[in-house]
Parts: sequence; structure tokens; C-alpha cells
Amino acid sequence: DGGITQSPKYLFRKEGQNVTLSCEQNLNHDAMYWYRQDPGQGLRLIYYSQIVNDFQKGDIAEGYSVSREKKESFPLTVTSAQKNPTAFYLCASSRDLYMNTEAFFGQGTRLTVV
Amino acid sequence: AQKVTQAQTEISVVEKEDVTLDCVYETRDTTYYLFWYKQPPSGELVFLIRRNSFDEQNEISGRYSWNFQKSTSSFNFTITASQVVDSAVYFCALSEARTSGSRLTFGEGTQLTVNP
Repeated sequence: DGGITQSPKYLFRKEGQNVTLSCEQNLNHDAMYWYRQDPGQGLRLIYYSQIVNDFQKGDIAEGYSVSREKKESFPLTVTSAQKNPTAFYLCASSRDLYMNTEAFFGQGTRLTVV
Repeated sequence: AQKVTQAQTEISVVEKEDVTLDCVYETRDTTYYLFWYKQPPSGELVFLIRRNSFDEQNEISGRYSWNFQKSTSSFNFTITASQVVDSAVYFCALSEARTSGSRLTFGEGTQLTVNP
């Protein structure tokens, strides 16, 4: 089945560690996104990518990094510079960045700092 | 800047009641897109509807209906004869055509609980 796969579902990070969240899609979508969701808040855009080897900062990019070496994959690294990383992270993809088509979302990764 | 407001943080209804979720948006663009997503307890967002700014026709899909009014910058969502399975967080979102297409600005969401 076509869709977006995020892993792991739950992730625990110690203070000062970098962690990487995986996002893979087999929808042949050009655009991919990372959002952060905090309790009682909407989703906020971290990074997005329109094509391979290109990505742009969203509204809350500080403390995060991404790569887009393959069309299917858009991993997110939460670095030690992110002061409050505990949150629910959602990856999404859409057919392309300019058609305002609907985005499809993965099931999310819940990151907790211990 | 674009903004989406969902003033209702939580709504609780009894099964079979009708319920309306409010969404008010702000944008300077004349071309924009509005979306509703459902987030069940499993966490992933499920797409419900997309509407462009030039199409004010209301839409009905089964028990779901949407009322888009540009005059009041609102895009409200009504569930008729609610069911327990409708319990979820519902998000309204806005995308402006001039700002790289599918970047979505989300409202804070409305937690809907349908009790048996």
C-alpha cells in the first residue's frame, strides 16, 4: 500500500544527544515536510523539501537539521541545540509544492527527553 | 501573515447530536486553499476536504458538510448525527498560493468527544 512510514513510533533521548527520525514515502511525491505538534497546539512547520538535495527552513527550524538525498526519504535530526525537543513529530508529503494539493501524513514519532 | 483560529478547544456531545466546528482564517492573498484534517488517537492526520478561495459552494459528504463564507473568513465543519468514531482532534488549515503552495498553517485544533 502507498503511504508514509515514520520510525520509530516512540523515541527517548538523553540530554545532549542527537537523534534522527526516519520518514519514508512510496507515493512518488516530490514535496516532503516535517511538523512538530505540542499538546493543545496546532502543527508547526520545521523544514520542507520540494526536490532531492533541496530543502528550506520552516517556522521553527532552530535545533533541527534535515537531508533529502533520495526522493523517498526525508530524515529529521533533532540536535542537542534544540532546547525543548519533547513533542510529537509528523512527516508529510504532497504531490508537489505549487499545486496546493492535500498532504498525506505519517503516524508520527513521539520524542521524549529523559 | 496567514493565521487560522479554531476558538473551540474542546467540544463534547452525545451520540446522534449534530456538531459544528468553527474555523476563522486570515490571509492577504486572493488565492488560497483551506483544508480540514482529522487526527484520531493513532496520531496521523487524515485529509477530509480541500477548498480553494474561488469556490464558495458548500459541500456535503455523507454526514460531513462544510460551509465556506469569504465574507466572514470562515470555513466551518458540521458533523450530522455524530458517532463515537468521530471522536478525534480536528484541524483547520490554510495554504496561500503565493507562499510556495502546500505549506500549511494550522489552527490549534478542536478536540471532539462523542459520548455514547
